[in-house]
Amino acid sequence: ETGVTQSPTHLIKTRGQQVTLRCSSQSGHNTVSWYQQALGQGPQFIFQYYREEENGRGNFPPRFSGLQFPNYSSELNVNALELDDSALYLCASSPEGPNEQFFGPGTRLTVL
Amino acid sequence: GENVEQHPSTLSVQEGDSAVIKCTYSDSASNYFPWYKQELGKRPQLIIDIRSNVGEKKDQRIAVTLNKTAKHFSLHITETQPEDSAVYFCAASKVLGDMRFGAGTRLTVKP
Repeated sequence: ETGVTQSPTHLIKTRGQQVTLRCSSQSGHNTVSWYQQALGQGPQFIFQYYREEENGRGNFPPRFSGLQFPNYSSELNVNALELDDSALYLCASSPEGPNEQFFGPGTRLTVL
Repeated sequence: GENVEQHPSTLSVQEGDSAVIKCTYSDSASNYFPWYKQELGKRPQLIIDIRSNVGEKKDQRIAVTLNKTAKHFSLHITETQPEDSAVYFCAASKVLGDMRFGAGTRLTVKP
């Protein structure tokens, strides 16, 4: 297994609420990427953080936001939750640049 | 932005046969192409990757080929085993490292 951890493992929220998901990167990695994986689909790129700055963003609305801390851990925040936000949220850490990304176990979010 | 297409969506082979999964990408600036295997309920794990300065890479029963001109790359698994059954994802990444995934191929290896 990788050294990437995520919390919580599972989460149930209702529409309109806000959620914060957390990710600890693998030692030595300064880049964290977040993905949304709906059931039966491939991971969809949300955004990437490199040295505490957003480094790229996929096709997700502004209510998806994030942070990266000096220790390179990261948070994903989603405001005004919608039913379609129900998915597995994966974070992955890597050294800078195009390199292997090491995935965490994911957080399964259910929005009711 | 980058768009990665993957085919087929499902693939069923007999144990011992070969399996081939193909992907195309749209952005010629992409220069890193990993393949991930995801078993049910588990995280994606890298099985092989290739960079744009290489045309082919092999690791035991697994190989990847890259055609930069045509912007496509393929995964080849030989002598398939039941434990190869999983969902396989291709991906493409550029200099900044933001990775775009294909939709996945569900491979079933029948004993």
